[in-house]
Amino acid sequence: NAGVTQTPKFRILKIGQSMTLQCAQDMNHNYMYWYRQDPGMGLKLIYYSVGAGITDKGEVPNGYNVSRSTTEDFPLRLELAAPSQTSVYFCASSRDRGQTEAFFGQGTRLTVV
Amino acid sequence: AQRVTQPEKLLSVFKGAPVELKCNYSYSGSPELFWYVQYSRQRLQLLLRHISRESIKGFTADLNKGETSFHLKKPFAQEEDSAMYYCALTQTGGFKTIFGAGTRLFVKA
Repeated sequence: NAGVTQTPKFRILKIGQSMTLQCAQDMNHNYMYWYRQDPGMGLKLIYYSVGAGITDKGEVPNGYNVSRSTTEDFPLRLELAAPSQTSVYFCASSRDRGQTEAFFGQGTRLTVV
Repeated sequence: AQRVTQPEKLLSVFKGAPVELKCNYSYSGSPELFWYVQYSRQRLQLLLRHISRESIKGFTADLNKGETSFHLKKPFAQEEDSAMYYCALTQTGGFKTIFGAGTRLFVKA
């Protein structure tokens, strides 16, 4: 009964370092999403995927990359971390588009110093 | 541009009092609207969606297209309702969801 699992929960990066935020879902959902949430702001869509091998940019894709080699996994890659990427990152999945409920991971709190 | 506005960052009410969390949206088409909730130390989860016209945990929300609003209401607030509430909009048939900044509801004993 895992749902959407994100790792790690917390991470501190130095400027210029790289890291991958992992996201996995066990509900066989086609749609997966990465959001970031800055303090006092709503969630902003970084990237999304409509199925294995298919990804597309959201509102704020700069500085990030994604891949979707399997239905289950949707990792988010930060290549050269910058302080502006300090945020809480949420991964989510949904069965279909539109009216379908999105299931969220617990979030990753990332600080870039 | 599509936008979801939640004008109140914090809403504090006494237990048993009515509560209304405001949500206004800007969208040119026919939107699909949702309320998500995040309780302390829990993940974000769906509370209700306008298409279902349901009442969840005593909460209801009515889509008012004339006023472009989707306010969340509960007649008698409970302490366990204390949480962060997010209003969200999805394009009809689409998969990009836009979230409001959220309102923190605090229900005092």
